[in-house]
Amino acid sequence: KNQVEQSPQSLIILEGKNCTLQCNYTVSPFSNLRWYKQDTGRGPVSLTIMTFSENTKSNGRYTATLDADTKQSSLHITASQLSDSASYICVVSAKSNTGKLIFGQGTTLQVKP
Amino acid sequence: NAGVTQTPKFRILKIGQSMTLQCAQDMNHNYMYWYRQDPGMGLKLIYYSVGAGITDKGEVPNGYNVSRSTTEDFPLRLELAAPSQTSVYFCASSYSALAGEDTQYFGPGTRLTVL
Repeated sequence: KNQVEQSPQSLIILEGKNCTLQCNYTVSPFSNLRWYKQDTGRGPVSLTIMTFSENTKSNGRYTATLDADTKQSSLHITASQLSDSASYICVVSAKSNTGKLIFGQGTTLQVKP
Repeated sequence: NAGVTQTPKFRILKIGQSMTLQCAQDMNHNYMYWYRQDPGMGLKLIYYSVGAGITDKGEVPNGYNVSRSTTEDFPLRLELAAPSQTSVYFCASSYSALAGEDTQYFGPGTRLTVL
């Protein structure tokens, strides 16, 4: 069964600190993996996308890594800001002609001043 | 471009009532999706469409119906609302299902409560 598991479920850090969010997946055949950011009351917005051959991708202070062998990904946030408070969702797509995605349950990050 | 728009933003229904959640996109995307998001859970696919006139069931289609008469619009219909349908509903669209073109863009969501 295609699944995406994220950890931790929630995280509280102080402003300026770094943090790393984890994602494990069992999706086959694998197409790509995305990290989405979802602000409270808003729809998810794509942060990064990685295909099988890519093992790291950055978007400003966000850096995603992918280990396709162990089927693990991480999202590292550097020098956190209050605006980073959100839910971060790991999303994996399998190769198909439907575009269906498999969503993790998300990690809720709270950045405190 | 407005992107993906959804109406209404909030709605309260009584058990057994019906309603239609509206979704529109102005990016000329072929693929459109409806998801529901329950607290602490990942998004679950209700229905999707790969083009005008073509729709198919997702993971949790029971109690819902969709239509896709135009490329731009993808309404979701609840016929007999039940408390289990209390959720936040997101519409999304993508250009295609091909790698590099399959990023899904989400609307702002509709928060539905069934009492």
